[in-house]
Amino acid sequence: GDSVTQMEGPVTLSEEAFLTINCTYTATGYPSLFWYVQYPGEGLQLLLKATKADDKGSNKGFEATYRKETTSFHLEKGSVQVSDSAVYFCALSPGNTPLVFGKGTRLSVIA
Amino acid sequence: DADVTQTPRNRITKTGKRIMLECSQTKGHDRMYWYRQDPGLGLRLIYYSFDVKDINKGEISDGYSVSRQAQAKFSLSLESAIPNQTALYFCATSDRTRERPQHFGDGTRLSIL
Repeated sequence: GDSVTQMEGPVTLSEEAFLTINCTYTATGYPSLFWYVQYPGEGLQLLLKATKADDKGSNKGFEATYRKETTSFHLEKGSVQVSDSAVYFCALSPGNTPLVFGKGTRLSVIA
Repeated sequence: DADVTQTPRNRITKTGKRIMLECSQTKGHDRMYWYRQDPGLGLRLIYYSFDVKDINKGEISDGYSVSRQAQAKFSLSLESAIPNQTALYFCATSDRTRERPQHFGDGTRLSIL
């Protein structure tokens, strides 16, 4: 079945460091791909999305490119801030069934 | 006001009790979902509903039941709570278009003693 694999955390970075969180997927057909963020004590919020191969989603300095050839959707940010500390979830939408989520990666950014 | 509202936000109860978690939405979405979040396990789908007359089991439906009372309301019940159902529960909504992502409530933290 469809699945999402994320790098395990926690990831700890210093402020202004470069961030990469790896995400790979297995799916039939052509799913849409998403990154969600969960700040402490809150529900999930959509961070960015991509709906077809080679699309780049971007928001708040974060970017991810839909790579069909490597079945990947890695999240990147050039310079993280303390306020980026959160749990990040990669997810795919296989079509007319609910989103499939990865297990989440906790990011801690220290000043 | 929040688009997706969950009540209660926190609940502590005892083993064997019946518990209902409620979710209401003002987004006008057809689809509603209940997820459970456990540390290290991410989000797992319990039940989902694509419209008022549609109920589907998710990955971990055993021990849970749901009711879709109206387009805007979707409740989750634990008929006889057990300690391993202690978790953070999220309700979510989406519209029919697959590219549209789901919108989440702020969660209900449930502790079963």
